[in-house]
Amino acid sequence: DAGITQSPRYKITETGRQVTLMCHQTWSHSYMFWYRQDLGHGLRLIYYSAAADITDKGEVPDGYVVSRSKTENFPLTLESATRSQTSVYFCASSESPGLPSNEQFFGPGTRLTVL
Amino acid sequence: RKEVEQDPGPFNVPEGATVAFNCTYSNSASQSFFWYRQDCRKEPKLLMSVYSSGNEDGRFTAQLNRASQYISLLIRDSKLSDSATYLCAVEEDSSYKLIFGSGTRLLVRP
Repeated sequence: DAGITQSPRYKITETGRQVTLMCHQTWSHSYMFWYRQDLGHGLRLIYYSAAADITDKGEVPDGYVVSRSKTENFPLTLESATRSQTSVYFCASSESPGLPSNEQFFGPGTRLTVL
Repeated sequence: RKEVEQDPGPFNVPEGATVAFNCTYSNSASQSFFWYRQDCRKEPKLLMSVYSSGNEDGRFTAQLNRASQYISLLIRDSKLSDSATYLCAVEEDSSYKLIFGSGTRLLVRP
């Protein structure tokens, strides 16, 4: 009954380093999403994926890269971390988003600090 | 103007009170609307979907006003356990992307 998991849960890194945040879901949901949450901004969509090998930009994609070679995994990479990327990152998945009866399920989040 | 706006609060109410939150959205083509609950430092969890005709789940009632482009959440008989941040989410066109409001914080006091 794992659902959707994220790793690591906490990460401290330095400016300029590459960091990869992992997201794994066990439901075989087609859609997966990456959000960041900052005070005053709420949740902002970084990237999303409609299926394996299909990804698209969200509201704030700059500085991030995603891939989705397998349905269950959706890693998010910060190519060269900056202090402005210090945030809480949430991964989410959904079977069929866009329908009132379908919800996005969120992972527990990764707290990333860039020094 | 933000696409989805909420009063950040906090709303500080006594147990048993009725409290209402509104959320305005700018995209008139939006079709799906949701209320999520987020506890401190935790992930958001769906509280209710919002249907055109309005819907109720126990002490919680959600309504949609398309003409004025807002959704509302009414909580009756507030409990201490209702203390949380409530996020509204609006689907962006038919793109399957949700736009979230910044959240409204609710504090229910004894």
